Amino acid sequence: KAGVTQTPRYLIKTRGQQVTLSCSPISGHRSVSWYQQTPGQGLQFLFEYFSETQRNKGNFPGRFSGRQFSNSRSEMNVSTLELGDSALYLCASSQNEQGGLAGGEQYFGPGTRLTVT
Amino acid sequence: SQKIEQNSEALNIQEGKTATLTCNYTNYSPAYLQWYRQDPGRGPVFLLLIRENEKEKRKERLKVTFDTTLKQSLFHITASQPADSATYLCALAYSSASKIIFGSGTRLSIRP
Repeated sequence: KAGVTQTPRYLIKTRGQQVTLSCSPISGHRSVSWYQQTPGQGLQFLFEYFSETQRNKGNFPGRFSGRQFSNSRSEMNVSTLELGDSALYLCASSQNEQGGLAGGEQYFGPGTRLTVT
Repeated sequence: SQKIEQNSEALNIQEGKTATLTCNYTNYSPAYLQWYRQDPGRGPVFLLLIRENEKEKRKERLKVTFDTTLKQSLFHITASQPADSATYLCALAYSSASKIIFGSGTRLSIRP
């Protein structure tokens, strides 16, 4: 099976712009979670989607949003970009019906490196 | 708020020895705890999961223990190899709060 794929791998944006990142989970996985990783804050949970519904959410402002499509592919959007949004954005998929938060193994993609200038 | 501490930022050990990494947490015990490996420029790779009612889990050269009294998990790699060099992350999940929290990681270096 192909692993989790994320596009694009690298992105440079300017403050105030918006960005959309894409994630394709492993075939058959219905849970997709998004994370932000920075040197200062480490890996932080953004949100989790299951069957096109946001099921769990971390402590991030409303500028961070996401959605999931019927084929389980997911997109994450960040509006009004700030310098502090520069990070590696990772998505992870899980086969566990209850998602990664309930004890399932999560499979991470390679991430999208976002740089905000 | 819940905090996780991984014992050190970096650990250097000799090939063949056992590497032991520590993950300590405060306040409430999680429903389960996971360990991941992350190589530079790559996403984390799942290694092991241990639930709150389990004391120990093994997988090949890897062993994880979970002590809810000490609020601590230990991650062991026996017969360590240079290829084991990576950053190791622990993650705690709380079902009731639908929350997952990652530690900052320990960078492990195995020297030949």
